[in-house]
Amino acid sequence: DIQMTQSPSSVSASVGDRVTITCRASQDIRRFLAWYRQKPGKAPILLIYGASSLQSGVPSRFSGTGSGTDFTLTISSLQPEDFATYFCQQAYTYPLTFGPGTKVDLK
Amino acid sequence: EVQLVESGGRLVQPGRSLRLSCAASGFRFDDDAMHWVRQAPGKGLEWVSGITWNSGSIYYADSVKGRFTISRDNAKNSLYLQMNSLSVEDTALYYCTRDNGGNSIDYWGQGTLVTVSS
Repeated sequence: DIQMTQSPSSVSASVGDRVTITCRASQDIRRFLAWYRQKPGKAPILLIYGASSLQSGVPSRFSGTGSGTDFTLTISSLQPEDFATYFCQQAYTYPLTFGPGTKVDLK
Repeated sequence: EVQLVESGGRLVQPGRSLRLSCAASGFRFDDDAMHWVRQAPGKGLEWVSGITWNSGSIYYADSVKGRFTISRDNAKNSLYLQMNSLSVEDTALYYCTRDNGGNSIDYWGQGTLVTVSS
């Protein structure tokens, strides 16, 4: 199975900050990588798929880069609704696997 | 508007069985692959099982293989998860989800809670 890791596990930030989260796959997954945001008590929402494609309706402050084994999610200017947990997921092969999550909280 | 509504979750004793259902609406259900994803309390996301649009291909996580069975009824716009030999480690919120065509998940239900405890 492909293992996904994320760093950092948590980050403290302020509204307006630029935040970057890293995801690493245990083997080459090309660009088959998705990012999700999950607020407490809510279902996740898809932010990015195909490593860098912005899901319809998602604000442009979210961007994704990377290929192979190393990927990043960047929030260019953190908004109040972005204090949440972020998960990456490899979509390359079954079983689909998620990273452990990165919690973004208020500094 | 895409809607995925799960049902069937409840408190059940270890070793027992449970069947989850998901009612889909707002899209052509028989066009899309579907997945079940679970989240244990306070934990991360775990993909459980996936099924292609015509049930031609079915996939399971190792943790549930041989115990869980995914199925769908396209005529009823419904997805199911039959869960047998449940253990305390299966306690989680189970999400019904839609595949975006590339093994990412673009829609999630609100989840149904399965609690396995004696």
